Order: sequence, then C-alpha cells, then structure tokens
Amino acid sequence: QKEVEQDPGPLSVPEGAIVSLNCTYSNSAFQYFMWYRQYSRKGPELLMYTYSSGNKEDGRFTAQVDKSSKYISLFIRDSQPSDSATYLCAIKAAGNKLTFGGGTRVLVKP
Amino acid sequence: EPEVTQTPSHQVTQMGQEVILRCVPISNHLYFYWYRQILGQKVEFLVSFYNNEISEKSEIFDDQFSVERPDGSNFTLKIRSTKLEDSAMYFCASSSWGLDNEQFFGPGTRLTVL
Repeated sequence: QKEVEQDPGPLSVPEGAIVSLNCTYSNSAFQYFMWYRQYSRKGPELLMYTYSSGNKEDGRFTAQVDKSSKYISLFIRDSQPSDSATYLCAIKAAGNKLTFGGGTRVLVKP
Repeated sequence: EPEVTQTPSHQVTQMGQEVILRCVPISNHLYFYWYRQILGQKVEFLVSFYNNEISEKSEIFDDQFSVERPDGSNFTLKIRSTKLEDSAMYFCASSSWGLDNEQFFGPGTRLTVL
C-alpha cells in the first residue's frame, strides 16, 4: 500500500465551482498535513498547513483532516481560472521528511 | 516576502560529470532540504540538513550525493557522477525552528543528464 495516495485527475470545473481534492494515507504516525499548489515547471507553493483533525479555513481554501479515517481534503470555493494548477498533499511524521501525494491536476474553465 | 532561490534554473550535463546545484534558503531558517521530482512523478525527499550536518536522508541519497552549507547563505547539492536517471527537477526547501514548521520551496533546478 502506498504511503500517500491522491487521485491524479485531471479535475475540470467551471469558474465559480467548488473544487474538492483529497488524499488518503496509510501511516498513523503522520501528524502534520499540508497542501501545496504547483504550477507547471515551478516549485510547490504552500497553501495550507494543519496538524489536528477538523477544519482549517484560509480565505477561499478549507483544509480538512480526519485522522481516524486517514483522509485529508482541500476545498477551494469560488474557483478561478488562476487556480488551475496541480495540487499536492504532503504529510509528515515527527521528523523532517515530507511525503507527497502524486498531485491532482485541476483545470478551472472560464 | 522572503523566498528560497535556486541557481541555475536549468543545468545540462554529460553522464558521469559532477554537478553542483545551489540554493539560498530564507535567511532566518535553520533547516534545509533537497527534494527531486522526476518528470510526471511524485516529489521525493532526498535529504534534510540542520546545524551543519545531515539529519535525515532517503534511500535515493546515496554516496553519489552530498550536501554542504559552504557559507552563511548558500546550501548546495552535489552529484559526483551523474547518471541518466538523475535527470529531474531538484527543489531546495527551508524551514524555521521546530520540526513542525512549514517547508518553503524554491523554484527548482531542472537537471538534464545526456
């Protein structure tokens, strides 16, 4: 079983729609959960960071963590064409190493 | 806003040659990392560095790889004898004190080994 699994997409939505992304993980030692956005041939850009179960909101972005199900989600409200990118979940245990999902490609159509 | 910078943006080398990839982490950060992303694949952890020594490394980070902080600002990744399969995007990242702090990534260096 892969440590972190993420649907590769692509996920195509109309402008203004809610984008729903998720990852599952297998290792219960994972404690810190992040979402990064990556534009083509660029570095990952941190969007959201959380370490507890529940919801965390930042503007149009909401990160959700369910440790009991080993499931994390990212919701993007009122999606814009500029949100078109690949979204990576990244998870960390107590050490330094980030374990990334494979990324979901999102396309927001005007 | 402070950011991680990397040079060069693209490096082309012949198989068997040595390459050095350079990074300038965010100035008050203490932890430094290298990751790589082979085209179409996941971002993979290579190594973390703190207090002038490696704190963690992956199976990928074998004897062909080394890291160094030669001065107060730069952080480098050296690949001694490049292989075709080393072709990838290499990302440097840094984070501040504490193991739970966020890692901020640079724009990457695209390494092409011919």
